[in-house]
Amino acid sequence: QVQLQESGPGLVKPSETLSLTCTVSGGSFSSFYWSWIRQPPGKGLEWIGYIYNSGSTNYNPSLKSRVGTSIDTTRKQFSLNLRSVTAADTAVYYCAGSTVGAKTFDYWGQGTLVTVSS
Amino acid sequence: QSALTQPASVSGSPGQSTTISCTGTSSDVGGYNYVSWYQQHPGKAPKLVIYDVSNRPSGVSNRFSGSKSANTASLTISGLQAEDEADYYCSSYTSSGTRVFGGGTKLTVL
Repeated sequence: QVQLQESGPGLVKPSETLSLTCTVSGGSFSSFYWSWIRQPPGKGLEWIGYIYNSGSTNYNPSLKSRVGTSIDTTRKQFSLNLRSVTAADTAVYYCAGSTVGAKTFDYWGQGTLVTVSS
Repeated sequence: QSALTQPASVSGSPGQSTTISCTGTSSDVGGYNYVSWYQQHPGKAPKLVIYDVSNRPSGVSNRFSGSKSANTASLTISGLQAEDEADYYCSSYTSSGTRVFGGGTKLTVL
C-alpha cells in the first residue's frame, strides 16, 4: 500500500517561498506521477501540478510562473516550491500519486496546513 | 483553465438517491473519458470513489455510480446513508495534459 506524508513549515511570510516535501513509502516510486493539490480553508480543491521520475512536469497555468518541483528517486521524495506567496496561498497542501497511464489521484497524503502571514 | 461547475449543495433522505452534476467543456469533461470523483469528509483527505467516468475502485460501495453526457458528468449515490454526508469533487483531464477540479458539492443526508 502506497503511503504519502507531507512535511515542511506551517508558517511562511508574505513574498517568501513556500517549500514542502512529500515522502513516499510502499509501492514502486517510479510507477507514479506525483502531484501537489491545495485547498484553502473552507474552499475547494486546486491542482497545482505534477512531476514524473524522469523530471517531466506539468503545472496549473494560473500558478505556473511561481511553481517549481523536484524529485529525488533515491529518497522516494518529491518537493514543491511556491514563490512570492501571499495570504491567498494559505491552504492545506496535499501530495498525491497517480498510477502511470491513469488520470486519477489514487493515493493522497493527509495534508499539511500552510499559513502565509507576517 | 476554469474550474468545472458543480452545484454548491444537494440533499436527500436516507434510502433515496441523489445526483451531483459536473459541467465542463469539450477541452476537458467532454473531450475525454477521464472524469473522476472524490469524497471528502471534514478534516480528511479526499478519497477516490469513481474513475474514468463510471468505474469504481476496489472497496467502494456499488451505491456509487458515474456517467457522462456531452460536457456534463454525473455522480449518483443510491440508497443514501448517513456516512455519505460529505463534500464531493469531480476532476477531469484536460487537453493540455493538466487536471482541473470542480468547485465541490456538499451532500447533506437529511
